[in-house]
Formats: sequence, C-alpha cells, structure tokens
Amino acid sequence: AQSVAQPEDQVNVAEGNPLTVKCTYSVSGNPYLFWYVQYPNRGLQFLLKYITGDNLVKGSYGFEAEFNKSQTSFHLKKPSALVSDSALYFCAVRVDTNAGKSTFGDGTTLTVKP
Amino acid sequence: DAGITQSPRHKVTETGTPVTLRCHQTENHRYMYWYRQDPGHGLRLIHYSYGVKDTDKGEVSDGYSVSRSKTEDFLLTLESATSSQTSVYFCAISEPYQSPYGYTFGSGTRLTVV
Repeated sequence: AQSVAQPEDQVNVAEGNPLTVKCTYSVSGNPYLFWYVQYPNRGLQFLLKYITGDNLVKGSYGFEAEFNKSQTSFHLKKPSALVSDSALYFCAVRVDTNAGKSTFGDGTTLTVKP
Repeated sequence: DAGITQSPRHKVTETGTPVTLRCHQTENHRYMYWYRQDPGHGLRLIHYSYGVKDTDKGEVSDGYSVSRSKTEDFLLTLESATSSQTSVYFCAISEPYQSPYGYTFGSGTRLTVV
C-alpha cells in the first residue's frame, strides 16, 4: 500500500518570505513523488517531480522540493513567496509497478499575504 | 488543459438517476484515471484504464462503472446517483513509464446530486 500525509491543512506566509509545505509518504519500493497545484475553480497542474537522481528538484514558478529518503519526506519550498502562489497544493506518490496509480495527500492551502 | 477535456463541466441530477461523465484526450496516452475530490479527502481514485477495454477498480469504486472503447475516450457512469456522490470529478492521463511521468488533468466536472 502507498500513502501520503500532508500534516498542515493551512500554511500562511507573508509575501517575500520563504515558504515550506510539508509532505511525508509511505510506499513499498522506490517512490515517484509529485507536487501539483490547484488554483481556485481550476484543475490541477503539475509542479515538479522526483523520480531518481538529485535529491533537490526544481519545478515551475520557482518552486523546488527536497527528497529525503531517511525521513520519507518530500517538502515543497520556495525562497520568496508571492501573493499569486496562494492555492491548494497536493503531494502525490506512486511506485513504478502499479500502472501509474498515484495516491494523493489531503492537500494544503497556502495563503500568501501582502 | 490542453489535450484533455471533460464534459459536462457542471451537472445537477436527481437521486437514483444514471449519470455519465466523459473524458476525451488527444495525447494518445495509454493510461487514464478518474478521481473524485472532496474536502478533507484530497483526490481518491475511482477507476483507471491501461488500454482499450482494459480497466480496473480504484479505492472508491462502489457505485461507479467505466468504459473505454477507444484510446481517446474514458467514460465514468454513476449507475444510480446518490447524494454521497456529489463531488468534483477529475480525469487524468499519463504515460507513467515515460517523462514527465506525472498526470495531466482535465478541468473537472462538478456534479451535484439532489
């Protein structure tokens, strides 16, 4: 079985400050990890992924995420938050042997205040 | 999103009636998925397909059926709609063993069962 936990329902940061959205996972096998973003009344958009290689991966809109195998975590980060980053963020995990079926966390609402 | 469309975008239906949601893709991806999004539950997999006429159940498949007669179309049917099936439904496509490995989502269908 595979599972994802996003321990924070809500993250609030001030514009210009660094942001972190947390994600931990559990899988049997090598994980494929993803972050998706959902803007209000929109579908989900792919942000970034970790498949293999460097533990620090960079994605769209200046976001990055760090894969930590020992802590089974894949936290999303950005050095300087923008008001336009306010959205719902989902972490997802899958393994390479399950027909691409991803399991999603419950989501974290990020609010960036001016 | 480009390459994947869902119809209808919104639907209100009565309890006990059958409902079919359509997902159409132009990317020729082999894998297609139906998820539902509910507050506090993230996205949960209903059914998925790994080829024409090849489908399988996800974690919340009770009360739903699917069909895939062509690569480009994946239909989700609520056999007899109930109020608990009020949700936002997302279709996703993927080639999980090729870059970029993640999902491309449709814009979603908001279904209300009254």
